[in-house]
Formats: sequence, C-alpha cells, structure tokens
Amino acid sequence: AQSVTQLGSHVSVSEGALVLLRCNYSSSVPPYLFWYVQYPNQGLQLLLKYTSAATLVKGINGFEAEFKKSETSFHLTKPSAHMSDAAEYFCAISNFGNEKLTFGTGTRLTIIP
Amino acid sequence: DAGVIQSPRHEVTEMGQEVTLRCKPISGHDYLFWYRQTMMRGLELLIYFNNNVPIDDSGMPEDRFSAKMPNASFSTLKIQPSEPRDSAVYFCASSPLTGPANYGYTFGSGTRLTVV
Repeated sequence: AQSVTQLGSHVSVSEGALVLLRCNYSSSVPPYLFWYVQYPNQGLQLLLKYTSAATLVKGINGFEAEFKKSETSFHLTKPSAHMSDAAEYFCAISNFGNEKLTFGTGTRLTIIP
Repeated sequence: DAGVIQSPRHEVTEMGQEVTLRCKPISGHDYLFWYRQTMMRGLELLIYFNNNVPIDDSGMPEDRFSAKMPNASFSTLKIQPSEPRDSAVYFCASSPLTGPANYGYTFGSGTRLTVV
C-alpha cells in the first residue's frame, strides 16, 4: 500500500520568508507524487506533480518540489512567502496504472505579516 | 471549460432525510471520483467511476450511501437516511483517460453538508 506523511499540521512563516512544507512517502513501486492547494471554501487545485521525469518540479505560484528517492521525500518549497499563499496544502501519491490518489492529512500554512 | 460543477454548494438537512449531491465532470474526462473531507478523517475516497461504470466503491461508509453515473456528464451521491455524522464537505473530481495517476484530478468546489 502507498501512503504519504505530511510533517506538521500547521506551519507559520513570515511574509517574504522561505516556505518549506514536508512530505514523505512510502511505496513499493515508483511513485507519482502531487501537491495540491486548498483555499478556504474551495476545492483542491493542483500545484505540481512528479511523474518520473525531472526530479525538480516547478509548479504554479512560484512553488517547486524535489523528488528525493534516497530520502523518500517530496518537500514543497517557495523562496519568498506571500500573504496569498495562506491555505491548506496536501501531498498525494499514486503510481502507474493506479487511478486512485491517496492524500496526506494536510498542512495549514499561515503567513505572518 | 467551466471545470467540475457541484451542486448544491451548501446543504442543511434534518437527520433521517434523503440528501442528493450532484456533480458534472469536465467534458471528455473519463474518470469521476467522490471524496469526503472531515477534520477527523481528512480526505477519503468514497467511490470512483470509469466511463460511467463504478470501479471501486470500497470507501463508501455504509449502505446508506449510494452513487450513480447515468451518463458521462452527470453523477449523484445519495445518502438515505442522513445522520449527523455524515456532516462533511463532499468533493467530486474528474480526470482524463490518459491517466489520473499521471494527470492528477480536477476538483469541484465541494458541497458542504450539515445534518442536524
């Protein structure tokens, strides 16, 4: 079975500071990994995905993530936080031939002015 | 494209009543997924369809829940009878045949259900 673990249910950073949201995965087969963002009272929106191509993936809104097989990690980063980044972020996993995404428990990001 | 359309956005109902949630996937998407989101359990996959056929309903919590997809552009999730513990946000998502695992999902805005 595949799973993802998001470390830290709440993360607070100052505006302009580095954003780092952690995701570790467990999978017996090569994974596909995703980050989604959910703004209040909205659905989930795809930020970026890793599907076995380049290990450094760039997404929307200045976010990027790096797939590290040796560390079984797929952490999400953004060099400089903006107030509009305040939201909940979900890591998710799947693999080739598997239509289902399994989501982590989410990390709520708060931006301090 | 208008995206995945869910209705209603909010539903408040009394315990014991029937509730029907509706979803219109993106045109041309072959997969449709129903998720439930709660504070306690996070995002749970309830059921998904491929070409209108239910593929996996192992996440449906109990017989009170049922889902249908009569055609490629419409799906319903029904709860009968509803209970307070069904209160949650229900999301519908769709994905193309090229591979949900590769493409990811497009989510609707959700239906917030409150059962009193």
